[in-house]
Amino acid sequence: QKEVEQNSGPLSVPEGAIASLNCTYSDRGSQSFFWYRQYSGKSPELIMFIYSNGDKEDGRFTAQLNKASQYVSLLIRDSQPSDSATYLCAVKRADSWGKLQFGAGTQVVVTP
Amino acid sequence: EPEVTQTPSHQVTQMGQEVILRCVPISNHLYFYWYRQILGQKVEFLVSFYNNEISEKSEIFDDQFSVERPDGSNFTLKIRSTKLEDSAMYFCAGLVLAGANSYEQYFGPGTRLTVT
Repeated sequence: QKEVEQNSGPLSVPEGAIASLNCTYSDRGSQSFFWYRQYSGKSPELIMFIYSNGDKEDGRFTAQLNKASQYVSLLIRDSQPSDSATYLCAVKRADSWGKLQFGAGTQVVVTP
Repeated sequence: EPEVTQTPSHQVTQMGQEVILRCVPISNHLYFYWYRQILGQKVEFLVSFYNNEISEKSEIFDDQFSVERPDGSNFTLKIRSTKLEDSAMYFCAGLVLAGANSYEQYFGPGTRLTVT
């Protein structure tokens, strides 16, 4: 069974600090990696994706990918109370047209 | 963000009844998907749909489930005989080409299905 693993949290982060979220995956056929944010009772919202090793920045978010170690991470800089949500890591295989396998998510709580 | 709409927002049905969940992807979506999320659990892939055919499906997507795009715009998920364990949020998603090697999936707001 191919797995996507995340720490469930909650990850408590002071306002203005950096939140660091990690995700590991077991399927070496994984090609693309996505971070979604999900507020309670709502649908997943795409934050960003990454498919090349290294860092990718988008505003206050930075995704990092290390395929050799099979992990992907998300940094949230200058965390705001509105960032309080569950962050879902999702992976897509190279031979799939979009089937995403999700982790269980990490709950982030940003405290004022 | 390319908007996907879903109806109804909440559906209550009795065990054994058929339900149809509806989704309207936007016109430039390439692929369409259904996912479900049982309360407190992971988002799970059900099925992907392209060019009026199922392209991929999970083990969850058994003979009780079917999908179709009857009129070229609506995309539906039918559950023929609902079970208690079908109670979940059902999300429709659409795939958008966002750039070279860049395919992004956008989720609709979901339908909460409650089977009693």
